[in-house]
Amino acid sequence: QKEVEQNSGPLSVPEGAIASLNCTYSDRGSQSFFWYRQYSGKSPELIMFIYSNGDKEDGRFTAQLNKASQYVSLLIRDSQPSDSATYLCAVNQFSGGYNKLIFGAGTRLAVHP
Amino acid sequence: DAGVIQSPRHEVTEMGQEVTLRCKPISGHNSLFWYRQTMMRGLELLIYFNNNVPIDDSGMPEDRFSAKMPNASFSTLKIQPSEPRDSAVYFCASSWSRALYEQYFGPGTRLTVT
Repeated sequence: QKEVEQNSGPLSVPEGAIASLNCTYSDRGSQSFFWYRQYSGKSPELIMFIYSNGDKEDGRFTAQLNKASQYVSLLIRDSQPSDSATYLCAVNQFSGGYNKLIFGAGTRLAVHP
Repeated sequence: DAGVIQSPRHEVTEMGQEVTLRCKPISGHNSLFWYRQTMMRGLELLIYFNNNVPIDDSGMPEDRFSAKMPNASFSTLKIQPSEPRDSAVYFCASSWSRALYEQYFGPGTRLTVT
């Protein structure tokens, strides 16, 4: 089992719709969860982080966390073609005395006009 | 702020040659990370420095890979000898240790080993 799993997609949604991106993780000790966006040929950029169960909203983005189910999601409301990118879920892992981020393989989102 | 700077942006080399990738982190950041990204394996952490000291190098694939951080503003990742399976995009990222996970990535170096 991979440590952080995401559906590779592509997830195709029409402009204006809600895009829902999902991520599951295996380490029950993980406490911090992140969403990075990566445009084709570019580097990842941090867009959201969440530490507590429940929802966290930032503009059109909402991160949702359910630690009991080991599940993190990212909702993008009013999707725009400019949201088309790969979204990487990242989870902290404490191993060997050190913290580090473990990334999922990413979900490719395509928003079509 | 110039962001994380990496060089070269593209590198094409022949199998067996030595390759050196360079990174300048954001000024004031004291944690530096080297990642490798491929279609097959996604984004993998190779090594992580804190205050110029290597903290976790468990992701370094083998002895052919080595990384140094001689000062707070410069790091190198060296592959010697290079192999075709090393072809990937190599990213450097930096952060402030009190916000370890808020990492800022450089533009990456696309390495092709023929």
